[in-house]
Amino acid sequence: DSGVTQTPKHLITATGQRVTLRCSPRSGDLSVYWYQQSLDQGLQFLIQYYNGEERAKGNILERFSAQQFPDLHSELNLSSLELGDSALYFCASSVEEGRPSTDTQYFGPGTRLTVL
Amino acid sequence: GQNIDQPTEMTATEGAIVQINCTYQTSGFNGLFWYQQHAGEAPTFLSYNVLDGLEEKGRFSSFLSRSKGYSYLLLKELQMKDSASYLCAVRSDSNYQLIWGAGTKLIIKP
Repeated sequence: DSGVTQTPKHLITATGQRVTLRCSPRSGDLSVYWYQQSLDQGLQFLIQYYNGEERAKGNILERFSAQQFPDLHSELNLSSLELGDSALYFCASSVEEGRPSTDTQYFGPGTRLTVL
Repeated sequence: GQNIDQPTEMTATEGAIVQINCTYQTSGFNGLFWYQQHAGEAPTFLSYNVLDGLEEKGRFSSFLSRSKGYSYLLLKELQMKDSASYLCAVRSDSNYQLIWGAGTKLIIKP
C-alpha cells in the first residue's frame, strides 16, 4: 500500500458524459501527478500540481482539467468522453516538485474508466 | 528530442537471472528510476540511480552509466511473481519531470 488513495476504483459511463476522479496523496506529499494508461500502453503524463498550483503539463486534452485543493487532494475532470478515453488513470504523489533528484513518485491503485 | 528505449518483451526461466536494459537521450540528467508494474495494477518503485555504478537491493540491482546514457535492471533468482512490466524513467534537469519508457514486459516460465 503506497498511501495514495484514489476513488472510484471502477467507473463505467457513456460517450459525451463527464466524470470526476479523486486522489488523496500520501501524508506530507505536496505534489500530485495524473497519468493515463491505455490498454497495453505506457504511462502518459497528464499534469502535475504542487501545493495547489499547476506545475507541469503533459499530453492533457482540452476536455480534461484538474485541480489541487487546499487539503492537497486532487481531482481530474474528464468531459465530453469518447471511447478512446477508456483507460486506467493513475495518480501519484511525491514530497517535493521534482527537486531534489531523489524525489520519488508513489502511485495510487488507479481508476479504471470504461466509456461505452 | 527526449527518448527512452527499452525492449518490449523478454522471457526468462524461473530461478534464472535476467537483465533489462534502458537507454536514454534526454535534456540533461537528474536521476533514473525503475518501477515494477503488474498487469492492471499501479507501478511500484524499485530503485533510483543518480551516480554511475551498481545499486543492490536484495534480488534486484540497478546499474547506471551516465556517459553512455545506459542503465540496466538485474533480477536474480527469478520467481513467477516477477512476471510484470518494468518501467524505466529519467528525470531531466530542464523541468525536473520524469520521462517514461514504454516498459518491458517480463514473462517468467517454469
